[in-house]
Amino acid sequence: DIQLTQSPSFLSASVGDRVTITCRASQGISSYLAWYQQKPGTAPKLLIYAASTLQSGVPSRFSGSGSGTEFTLTISSLQPEDFATYYCQHLNSYPRAFGPGTKVDIK
Amino acid sequence: QVQLVQSGAEVKKPGASVKVSCKASGYTFTGNHIHWVRQAPGQGLEWMGWISPDNGDTYFAQKFQGWVTMTRDTSISTAYMELSRLKSDDTAIYYCAREQGIIAFDIWGQGTMVTVSA
Repeated sequence: DIQLTQSPSFLSASVGDRVTITCRASQGISSYLAWYQQKPGTAPKLLIYAASTLQSGVPSRFSGSGSGTEFTLTISSLQPEDFATYYCQHLNSYPRAFGPGTKVDIK
Repeated sequence: QVQLVQSGAEVKKPGASVKVSCKASGYTFTGNHIHWVRQAPGQGLEWMGWISPDNGDTYFAQKFQGWVTMTRDTSISTAYMELSRLKSDDTAIYYCAREQGIIAFDIWGQGTMVTVSA
């Protein structure tokens, strides 16, 4: 099975900061990676798919990059509504594993 | 609009079974796999498996094989996930999600809280 790790697991940042989250796969997954945002008490929301394609309606301050085994999610200028937990997920094979999550909190 | 609406919260005793429903609307139900994902309190997302609403095929994570059943009723555009022999650590929010190709889970249900307690 393909395992995903995320770093950092916790991030404290201020409004306006540039934030980068890394997701690493235990083996190559081409570009079959998605990023989700989850706020407390709500379902995950798709942000990025195919490693770098922005889902419709998602603000352009979110971007994704990478292929193979290393991927990044970047928020160019953190907004108050961006404080949440972010998960990566691979869709290269089964099981469709998720990373352990990165919680972005207010500094 | 495109949405998945799940059934309400459940409280079950250990050893019982629970069946959660996921009703699709706004798109062709048979066109996309429906996946089930669970999230224990304060924990991350755990993928459970999928069902093809088109032909009923299923695929489960190894951990859940023999323990979870996924079915669908195309006449009412609804998928079901049944978990048997419940234990306290099955207490979680259970989500259904639509997979768009092999791209991502683009639509999620609102989640169903299942509490297992004696």
